[in-house]
Amino acid sequence: AQKVTQAQTEISVVEKEDVTLDCVYETRDTTYYLFWYKQPPSGELVFLIRRNSFDEQNEISGRYSWNFQKSTSSFNFTITASQVVDSAVYFCALRGSYIPTFGRGTSLIVHP
Amino acid sequence: SQTIHQWPATLVQPVGSPLSLECTVEGTSNPNLYWYRQAAGRGLQLLFYSVGIGQISSEVPQNLSASRPQDRQFILSSKKLLLSDSGFYLCAWQPSGKETQYFGPGTRLLVL
Repeated sequence: AQKVTQAQTEISVVEKEDVTLDCVYETRDTTYYLFWYKQPPSGELVFLIRRNSFDEQNEISGRYSWNFQKSTSSFNFTITASQVVDSAVYFCALRGSYIPTFGRGTSLIVHP
Repeated sequence: SQTIHQWPATLVQPVGSPLSLECTVEGTSNPNLYWYRQAAGRGLQLLFYSVGIGQISSEVPQNLSASRPQDRQFILSSKKLLLSDSGFYLCAWQPSGKETQYFGPGTRLLVL
């Protein structure tokens, strides 16, 4: 079985603050994939990133960065200098040998 | 490029009425297709997935059913809606042999 835990239900920050969204996963698979999606108020889930289990290199894309650590089974997502447009629900997901499993999401509210 | 369509965008139906939600994907062949439901609380619940025409796997027993009459068409149906069927329904596709899912715009269903 596989499991994804996003312990933070809601995070509220002021614009320009940095914020980290936590994701902890469980899987027995040796090969698996981790994902982050963004769900703005419109509802559509937007794919942000995919990370393979054999590639622990962290990634940066503009203000977004991802920290993958197999030792702690975590795949955390940091937004630097947050903006109001970052307000959304963010989902972490895991796919091993089975169908994808999603976390319950973290609602990020960025206040101007 | 690939695109995914869902319709209708919004639907209000009385309890006991039938349901048909449609999802189509363009620009790809033999995709894996998924139906999710997102109720209040934001979690994504996988309802059905399909790896090919006529091949449907159900994850949660309920009064919903799915069909895949064509390669890029995925339909979610119900003969008699329940109040508990209200929610946000998301269709997703995954390229054959790949790991990332891409989501459609969703259908908001309200059962009264």
